[in-house]
Amino acid sequence: KAGVTQTPRYLIKTRGQQVTLSCSPISGHRSVSWYQQTPGQGLQFLFEYFSETQRNKGNFPGRFSGRQFSNSRSEMNVSTLELGDSALYLCASSLVLGGYSYEQYFGPGTRLTVT
Amino acid sequence: GEDVEQSLFLSVREGDSSVINCTYTDSSSTYLYWYKQEPGAGLQLLTYIFSNMDMKQDQRLTVLLNKKDKHLSLRIADTQTGDSAIYFCAEILYGNNRLAFGKGNQVVVIP
Repeated sequence: KAGVTQTPRYLIKTRGQQVTLSCSPISGHRSVSWYQQTPGQGLQFLFEYFSETQRNKGNFPGRFSGRQFSNSRSEMNVSTLELGDSALYLCASSLVLGGYSYEQYFGPGTRLTVT
Repeated sequence: GEDVEQSLFLSVREGDSSVINCTYTDSSSTYLYWYKQEPGAGLQLLTYIFSNMDMKQDQRLTVLLNKKDKHLSLRIADTQTGDSAIYFCAEILYGNNRLAFGKGNQVVVIP
């Protein structure tokens, strides 16, 4: 079974631009979560989508948004990029059992650099 | 609230056992996890334990959970050079699907 795939793997953007990252979950997984990893803040939860609906949201500004499509693929968007948005963005997919997404499998990440 | 703490660095000789520790503060945790991250890669789910268990063994990996002290550990037996990585512990809280991670523990295996 193919793992979680994320595209693109690397991205360089300029301050003020916007960016869209894509995540394809493992086949059959309907929950997709996004995390940001930086050296200073570590791994932080952004949001989770299940059945095309945002179920959970972390403490990030409104510039960070996402969506999920009917095939469970997900995108996240960051508008008006800031230097501090430079990070590794990780996507995780999971089955949902009893309402829980308790086995989360991660993709390789998208490395975003903002200059 | 969520607060997961880990020590930072461990050096171990190939063939020895390594033990990585983690403490968490929220007693509402339902599942506790160990993830591995190699350079330039995403996170690999190694193992996890439900909060009503105190031990889980999976091949070379042993997870111990002390709920009273809110302490989680991962023991890797017969450590190999391929085990060199950063190891993150994480928890999921009851009623919540978000993983809260520790800062990670870098393990360096010396041949």
